[in-house]
Amino acid sequence: QQQVKQSPQSLIVQKGGISIINCAYENTAFDYFPWYQQFPGKGPALLIAIRPDVSEKKEGRFTISFNKSAKQFSLHIMDSQPGDSATYFCAATTHNNNDMRFGAGTRLTVKP
Amino acid sequence: DTGVSQNPRHKITKRGQNVTFRCDPISEHNRLYWYRQTLGQGPEFLTYFQNEAQLEKSRLLSDRFSAERPKGSFSTLEIQRTEQGDSAMYLCASSLVSGNTIYFGEGSWLTVV
Repeated sequence: QQQVKQSPQSLIVQKGGISIINCAYENTAFDYFPWYQQFPGKGPALLIAIRPDVSEKKEGRFTISFNKSAKQFSLHIMDSQPGDSATYFCAATTHNNNDMRFGAGTRLTVKP
Repeated sequence: DTGVSQNPRHKITKRGQNVTFRCDPISEHNRLYWYRQTLGQGPEFLTYFQNEAQLEKSRLLSDRFSAERPKGSFSTLEIQRTEQGDSAMYLCASSLVSGNTIYFGEGSWLTVV
């Protein structure tokens, strides 16, 4: 059963634009929400993560917005660059960290 | 810190053969995880170890799958009597016991022909 739903499946943005990827979760026990970036043929790399005690976290051009009541969180990539073209996965886990659930991924293409 | 290391990176095997993948986690990490990823999907949790203890294995896909971490350092994932449906990327990851940051290796691709 899919505990983390991610949308859109694919996204095309122009260089300099804002990329927005959304995720929704079901399990209220989740308390850690990372985003991973994956390039073809590589393993996922941690991009940014948030805990539910804050509503927003920003690191450089990447921002996570978190809505606990709606059980939703999103990744915003500002000033998107062609080098950001990759697949992005949202994920969620509990403090035990023993069964991280991933969304199905969003394939981002940033056109020059 | 050399990151999580996996080998082989690619394996092609005939249906019915056994395969084994090795993972070397980040040296100070107590926890080690195995995930499977198929094309177009996110990683799917299989099992994890804390030191040498395998604390969760109910999510292993079938009894053909087994994992070990005999000395609490490297781990192996074995798939017996491989089937075409086992074709996927097998990801290893590690983390400290405290905190949630999980670091993935580059994966081992399995193709069953």
